[in-house]
Amino acid sequence: KAGVTQTPRYLIKTRGQQVTLSCSPISGHRSVSWYQQTPGQGLQFLFEYFSETQRNKGNFPGRFSGRQFSNSRSEMNVSTLELGDSALYLCASSPGTGGRIDIDEQYFGPGTRLTVT
Amino acid sequence: DQQVKQNSPSLSVQEGRISILNCDYTNSMFDYFLWYKKYPAEGPTFLISISSIKDKNEDGRFTVFLNKSAKHLSLHIVPSQPGDSAVYFCAASVNNAGNMLTFGGGTRLMVKP
Repeated sequence: KAGVTQTPRYLIKTRGQQVTLSCSPISGHRSVSWYQQTPGQGLQFLFEYFSETQRNKGNFPGRFSGRQFSNSRSEMNVSTLELGDSALYLCASSPGTGGRIDIDEQYFGPGTRLTVT
Repeated sequence: DQQVKQNSPSLSVQEGRISILNCDYTNSMFDYFLWYKKYPAEGPTFLISISSIKDKNEDGRFTVFLNKSAKHLSLHIVPSQPGDSAVYFCAASVNNAGNMLTFGGGTRLMVKP
């Protein structure tokens, strides 16, 4: 079974631009979550999508948005990039059955390394 | 305000000995805790979890202990192996918050042969 894939793996953007990152979950998984990892703030939850609906949202500004498609693939978008948005963006998928077992069965992708210059 | 903290950024252990990684939390609403291992250029990998109704959970060489009154959990790895060298994250979850996890800052474990 293929794992969670994220594209692109590396990205360099300029301040003020916008960027879209993509995440393909494990086949059959319906829940997708996004996290930002930075040296200063660690791993922080961005949002979770289930059945094309945002189920939870972290404490990030409105410049960060996401969506999920009917095939469970997800994208996140960051508009008006700032230097502080440089980070590793991780996507995780889970079956979406709910409960603690669903959390245990959450698998992470390798991440997209975004550098903002 | 960090709700989950791992106060030791790094830990070095000899192969075959016990590795103990610690994690503290402040939010009393957390009721489920997990440990992840992360290698460079890979996403975190789930290791073991524990519910707040338990104080211990064991899986092979990995044991997680939870002390609710102290808001403290620890991961014990026995015996430690060089392949265990990685960054370890603890994470916490609130019931009815979906799959949203709050992570600690991580501890880099180095197991020396």
